[in-house]
Amino acid sequence: EGQLVESGGGLVQPGGSLRLSCVASGFTFDDYAMHWVRQAPGRGLEWITSITWNTHALAYADSVKGRFTISRDNAKNTLYLHMNSLRTEDAALYFCAKYSLSYGFDTWGQGTRVTVSS
Amino acid sequence: QSVLTQPPSVSGAPGQRVTIACAGDISNIGTGYDVHWYQQFPGTAPKLLIYGDNNRPSGVPDRFSGSRSATSASLVITGLQAEDEADYYCQSSDNTLSVVFGGGTKLTVL
Repeated sequence: EGQLVESGGGLVQPGGSLRLSCVASGFTFDDYAMHWVRQAPGRGLEWITSITWNTHALAYADSVKGRFTISRDNAKNTLYLHMNSLRTEDAALYFCAKYSLSYGFDTWGQGTRVTVSS
Repeated sequence: QSVLTQPPSVSGAPGQRVTIACAGDISNIGTGYDVHWYQQFPGTAPKLLIYGDNNRPSGVPDRFSGSRSATSASLVITGLQAEDEADYYCQSSDNTLSVVFGGGTKLTVL
């Protein structure tokens, strides 16, 4: 089912920016929609954004709309999450995941932690 | 507030059967979208446990099963084992074509 490896997390001040990356291997990356899901400390899973295989359809949760941008480079088997205007409530473990309507999220990365603090 | 509603916690003794409910509405589960379930241990990524309402990926014990009705779904664990103690999440889609999760249920094995 493949592997996903996230990177790019870290400590950023409120109002700052960060770019997360997710490198895929072991499956045909451009066959699948890809998503980002986050989990704040002690909280549940929160879906935040998705992108179709051909980048033609993007979707965002209201909590990140206008601040976060999802993108992908199929030639590099890489998914990105550009995060701007970060808030303390954006602090979380960010997972990328491979998704299909019929099979759900069958492959997850290990997560990359984002801390937003002054 | 999650779109899908799960009980915050359930518990059971080893060997028992537990059920975790997942309540949706006509805009998500009630539309006919598949329901999927995930198991998550502390500090690790979620793992797909049940897909398409009641199908197990390879390697998932048949002690785990799923079912659905009009606007809800359930995860049933039979023959409860200590290693089943984890958080469980249901997930579906909704009419905005986005993904929705339940708030998660912490399973405690007594």
